[in-house]
Amino acid sequence: GAGVSQTPSNKVTEKGKYVELRCDPISGHTALYWYRQSLGQGPEFLIYFQGTGAADDSGLPNDRFFAVRPEGSVSTLKIQRTERGDSAVYLCASSPRTSGRDNEQFFGPGTRLTVL
Amino acid sequence: QKEVEQDPGPLSVPEGAIVSLNCTYSNSAFQYFMWYRQYSRKGPELLMYTYSSGNKEDGRFTAQVDKSSKYISLFIRDSQPSDSATYLCAIGIYGGSQGNLIFGKGTKLSVKP
Repeated sequence: GAGVSQTPSNKVTEKGKYVELRCDPISGHTALYWYRQSLGQGPEFLIYFQGTGAADDSGLPNDRFFAVRPEGSVSTLKIQRTERGDSAVYLCASSPRTSGRDNEQFFGPGTRLTVL
Repeated sequence: QKEVEQDPGPLSVPEGAIVSLNCTYSNSAFQYFMWYRQYSRKGPELLMYTYSSGNKEDGRFTAQVDKSSKYISLFIRDSQPSDSATYLCAIGIYGGSQGNLIFGKGTKLSVKP
């Protein structure tokens, strides 16, 4: 079946602009995660959705970052007033559930964001 | 001390070698352990997932967890050039709001033909 998809694959923007990054999870997966991966680092957690609600947004670096998942499927990560330090690969992952032992996370290919 | 420590390498081995990749962690509350493989400019791909101490084998890959030492390993037997990638360990806690994974930095592996 189809995996996690993310669009766009690459985004170049200027400092101060607003960007939206989209994630389409695996069909039927209730949990959705956003991570950020800088060069030479492992992914770092940003936010986690269980259904439509953000169950944990403790990884968002500041209030310029916001994410939504209005219908419990597709999610959008929104970054306002982008800064050069926001340049990274933004990864989305989905999981069938988060309790018990069936909570493997499956990742999309990522969106490479470059802020000039 | 970071919650998960992983030697970033790079690690270069000849084809056919046995590869050992390792991570240590500090929080004894961690309950499940994963290994991901990430090719250049791709998303991480889940390789192994285990939640108990001991070994779990899948083909040429063996995941080992020692909860008493807070140490996890991934062994690759008969390594192939196609195994060249960055390997990420990831550790998590079940349930509640803490569904996220804590990742190591990744170890870059190169298998030379």
